[in-house]
Amino acid sequence: EDQVTQSPEALRLQEGESSSLNCSYTVSGLRGLFWYRQDPGKGPEFLFTLYSAGEEKEKERLKATLTKKESFLHITAPKPEDSATYLCVAGSGKLIFGQGTTLQVKP
Amino acid sequence: NAGVTQTPKFQVLKTGQSMTLQCAQDMNHNSMYWYRQDPGMGLRLIYYSASEGTTDKGEVPNGYNVSRLNKREFSLRLESAAPSQTSVYFCASSEGTVQTVYGYTFGSGTRLTVV
Repeated sequence: EDQVTQSPEALRLQEGESSSLNCSYTVSGLRGLFWYRQDPGKGPEFLFTLYSAGEEKEKERLKATLTKKESFLHITAPKPEDSATYLCVAGSGKLIFGQGTTLQVKP
Repeated sequence: NAGVTQTPKFQVLKTGQSMTLQCAQDMNHNSMYWYRQDPGMGLRLIYYSASEGTTDKGEVPNGYNVSRLNKREFSLRLESAAPSQTSVYFCASSEGTVQTVYGYTFGSGTRLTVV
């Protein structure tokens, strides 16, 4: 069965404290791995698409990487405005959503 | 701003009532989707439409119907609301077909409570 598992469920960081969010996937025929950001009361906002193992994408303080079994979202020197839920989504003709990691960055 | 617009933002229904959730996109996307998001369950696909005039069931279609009115609009109808349909509903659209994986653009959601 196709599955996406994110860890940890929740993460609290101090401003400037770098860390990584993990996404493990077991999906047959992966065609793309997506990361979304979701703020409270809003819809998910697209961040990155990764298509093959070894690929990396960066946007401001975020960097997403992909292996054959996992994806990581690295957050470097986070700021309070990075606080949100981050969703990992595997695409194989349909989208399989992880349950998200809720990140809180304290000033 | 371009994007996906959902109405209403909030709704309370009594069990057995019906309602239609509206969604419109102005990005000329081919594919549109309806998801529901529940605590601990993640996002689950209710229905999708790969193109104008076509609709298909997703993961959790029971109790719902959809209409792809034109390329821009995709509505979700609850014929007889049940408390189990209390959820946050998101409409989304994407450039390609459902078999081609593109990033989706999501609306801001409709928070539905069925009492």
